[in-house]
Amino acid sequence: AQSVAQPEDQVNVAEGNPLTVKCTYSVSGNPYLFWYVQYPNRGLQFLLKYITGDNLVKGSYGFEAEFNKSQTSFHLKKPSALVSDSALYFCAVRADRGSTLGRLYFGRGTQLTVWP
Amino acid sequence: GAGVSQSPSNKVTEKGKDVELRCDPISGHTALYWYRQSLGQGLEFLIYFQGNSAPDKSGLPSDRFSAERTGGSVSTLTIQRTQQEDSAVYLCASSLDQGSNQPQHFGDGTRLSIL
Repeated sequence: AQSVAQPEDQVNVAEGNPLTVKCTYSVSGNPYLFWYVQYPNRGLQFLLKYITGDNLVKGSYGFEAEFNKSQTSFHLKKPSALVSDSALYFCAVRADRGSTLGRLYFGRGTQLTVWP
Repeated sequence: GAGVSQSPSNKVTEKGKDVELRCDPISGHTALYWYRQSLGQGLEFLIYFQGNSAPDKSGLPSDRFSAERTGGSVSTLTIQRTQQEDSAVYLCASSLDQGSNQPQHFGDGTRLSIL
């Protein structure tokens, strides 16, 4: 079965500091990994994905994520946080094969707050 | 280009009534998904459609829930005899196809409140 864990409900960082939002996963087969961001009263907005290749993937708005197969992790990072990055962040995984192909499994979400 | 469009954006109804939620996917996307977001359960998969294949309905929580996709485009999620626990945000997403590496693109959702 596929699953995602985001161990932190909240992450607070000061503007200008680096940020990390953690994610670990469990999947049958090879993982396709995604990060989404959600602003209040909006849908999920795609940030970045890992399918194959380089373990460090870069996405929108200066975000990047590092895939670590041995630790089954896909942590989201940004070198310098902005107040406007404050939002709810979701990690998601889907399998590359099987009966659940296409379905995304989401973590519970991490509320990021960047204070000035 | 246009993104995924959902209507209505908000729906308030009385317990026991039926509701229909609409999703208009991105043009050319053959895969369409419904998810539900609630405080207690997080983001839950409900159903997805891929082209002309039989939909994967395995996430529907009860037989009061059904969905259809007409002409491979617009989809309607129907909830019959609504209950208070159906209150949630219903999100629709689409992607090029279920097996592609492309991400799912989400609409802004329908916020459903059952009184």
